[in-house]
Amino acid sequence: GAVVSQHPSWVICKSGTSVKIECRSLDFQATTMFWYRQFPKQSLMLMATSNEGSKATYEQGVEKDKFLINHASLTLSTLTVTSAHPEDSSFYICSARLGARPSQYFGPGTRLTVL
Amino acid sequence: AQSVTQPDIHITVSEGASLELRCNYSYGATPYLFWYVQSPGQGLQLLLKYFSGDTLVQGIKGFEAEFKRSQSSFNLRKPSVHWSDAAEYFCAVGGGTSYGKLTFGQGTILTVHP
Repeated sequence: GAVVSQHPSWVICKSGTSVKIECRSLDFQATTMFWYRQFPKQSLMLMATSNEGSKATYEQGVEKDKFLINHASLTLSTLTVTSAHPEDSSFYICSARLGARPSQYFGPGTRLTVL
Repeated sequence: AQSVTQPDIHITVSEGASLELRCNYSYGATPYLFWYVQSPGQGLQLLLKYFSGDTLVQGIKGFEAEFKRSQSSFNLRKPSVHWSDAAEYFCAVGGGTSYGKLTFGQGTILTVHP
């Protein structure tokens, strides 16, 4: 149980284009989903907290107009990287919270490369 | 503010040897504590978690961790390491507020020699 999927697993795009990443909880409903960014050989950096039906809460320093988050249902959250640039290249990981306690289950990640 | 420190960036052990990965946390209330494992290019897998009760927690893959409030520690242990345990390990702390946000340590890379 508690499986989270991400799609796509990797994407290569040209600078200036937008990329959408999907995060789905497959066997449970997640009221809260989280989006992280991970640079090589570094820990996870929380970008935003997403609650179903409400606006995402962004961490300090994360541009909300650049990283658009939509949490349309209890099983789906999307992250759109708008007007992507090479510095946005990274590994993006989502997680979904199960239950009232802060247990998070993670997706497999999406490798974004912007040329 | 909550924080997590994993003092060891990289640990190397021989297959079959015992393992202990250190984790120290700072949190203003009773913490919820987690250990995750990440293989290269993959997401994070939950190994074990501590919410309350017995301070020795058993997890998957033969791992265990002990919560020591007096030392603000939550060290991960395994009595006999297998080559497949080579990965990066993250300790995390969270609480009951902020929608369950977790704060992660910097991670410890485990290398296993045959």
